[in-house]
Amino acid sequence: SAVISQKPSRDICQRGTSLTIQCQVDSQVTMMFWYRQQPGQSLTLIATANQGSEATYESGFVIDKFPISRPNLTFSTLTVSNMSPEDSSIYLCSVRTVTEAFFGQGTRLTVV
Amino acid sequence: AQSVTQLDSQVPVFEEAPVELRCNYSSSVSVYLFWYVQYPNQGLQLLLKYLSGSTLVKGINGFEAEFNKSQTSFHLRKPSVHISDTAEYFCAVSDRGGGSQGNLIFGKGTKLSVKP
Repeated sequence: SAVISQKPSRDICQRGTSLTIQCQVDSQVTMMFWYRQQPGQSLTLIATANQGSEATYESGFVIDKFPISRPNLTFSTLTVSNMSPEDSSIYLCSVRTVTEAFFGQGTRLTVV
Repeated sequence: AQSVTQLDSQVPVFEEAPVELRCNYSSSVSVYLFWYVQYPNQGLQLLLKYLSGSTLVKGINGFEAEFNKSQTSFHLRKPSVHISDTAEYFCAVSDRGGGSQGNLIFGKGTKLSVKP
């Protein structure tokens, strides 16, 4: 299993600012996944972060808006840049084994 | 590519009643199937998973699910619900071939509301 610590757990931010979300895993993992859960919606994959290379973004998500760092095998950050109210969501990081996915507690972001 | 359809967005039930949350999936390859639960203001917790073998899978908190390959379904059931089961439930699928590198595809979720 894997234990994921994600912070902050929630934040209220002004539009136009940026927020960096941190994700720490208690074991070394190759891939880390970042998801967005908009109000009343399911989880949508933003990007996959592989240590030592640039993150791979899903359609509709771009690096300028959601830059990701992956400096080592246990840590990653996601930045939500130049925020607007439409970015208000829960952001979750995740890691996988072959047979299971583990999730952080999520960051509940409100942009005002 | 895979997709997941959860047929009910909201399911209200009375305490101690049985419940079934429906999930259908679409995939051109073999998949693993999962149910996750999200309690209010919390992250996702694995309820149960189907990897192979017996099509009836038992999970935590008295939940079970049955994999039906011909109907491409993986419905979640509980014979008697409690107030504490009030949460949102997500069905998810992943490509077996993706291993630990693969993404999970989630359904839109079903909000289970248990009333006294």
